[in-house]
Amino acid sequence: ETGVTQTPRHLVMGMTNKKSLKCEQHLGHNAMYWYKQSAKKPLELMFVYSLEERVENNSVPSRFSPECPNSSHLFLHLHTLQPEDSALYLCASSQGEGSPLHFGNGTRLTVT
Amino acid sequence: TQLLEQSPQFLSIQEGENLTVYCNSSSVFSSLQWYRQEPGEGPVLLVTVVTGGEVKKLKRLTFQFGDARKDSSLHITAAQPGDTGLYLCAGRGSGAGSYQLTFGKGTKLSVIP
Repeated sequence: ETGVTQTPRHLVMGMTNKKSLKCEQHLGHNAMYWYKQSAKKPLELMFVYSLEERVENNSVPSRFSPECPNSSHLFLHLHTLQPEDSALYLCASSQGEGSPLHFGNGTRLTVT
Repeated sequence: TQLLEQSPQFLSIQEGENLTVYCNSSSVFSSLQWYRQEPGEGPVLLVTVVTGGEVKKLKRLTFQFGDARKDSSLHITAAQPGDTGLYLCAGRGSGAGSYQLTFGKGTKLSVIP
């Protein structure tokens, strides 16, 4: 059982669809993150939750909506996405602020 | 805005060669992390350096944090095909929120058998 599990691994969606990405961590960490990884760009932090409360929101468009029901689960709800939102979406967890990140293997999202 | 520049962007070498990749910034970081990401997987932490001038070794990998804590290097001795991957550096700002990490764009390394 891997430390941070993301599903699905691949997702293709149209611009009018609604879908959700799921992340689960089995490490007992209390912070969870969503990152976006695009070609030729650095990893971009999207959201951070600590103890189920959102502590960072880096000017992400409202078509991305995070949800953290408990310290082990994190969702990213997607609706009316644009083709430029196609990227690898990585979930990560950490013991707390300042601690190293443990990443999942990502969801490769393609918006058509 | 803090930026981390990594060089080179791409590196292709023969097995057994040595290499160095660099991570540079004009900003000071309280700590710096190196990650390796293999195709189809998420980044995996290799090391964290905290003190200016610090050197850490992980088998054939040697990491150094600059004296001024603005830059770092990763040296690989006798590279192996298993070293292939994307190497990312990430810095934690001294004044920013502790959850924020600034990532470089990465160095993509290919080690040819």
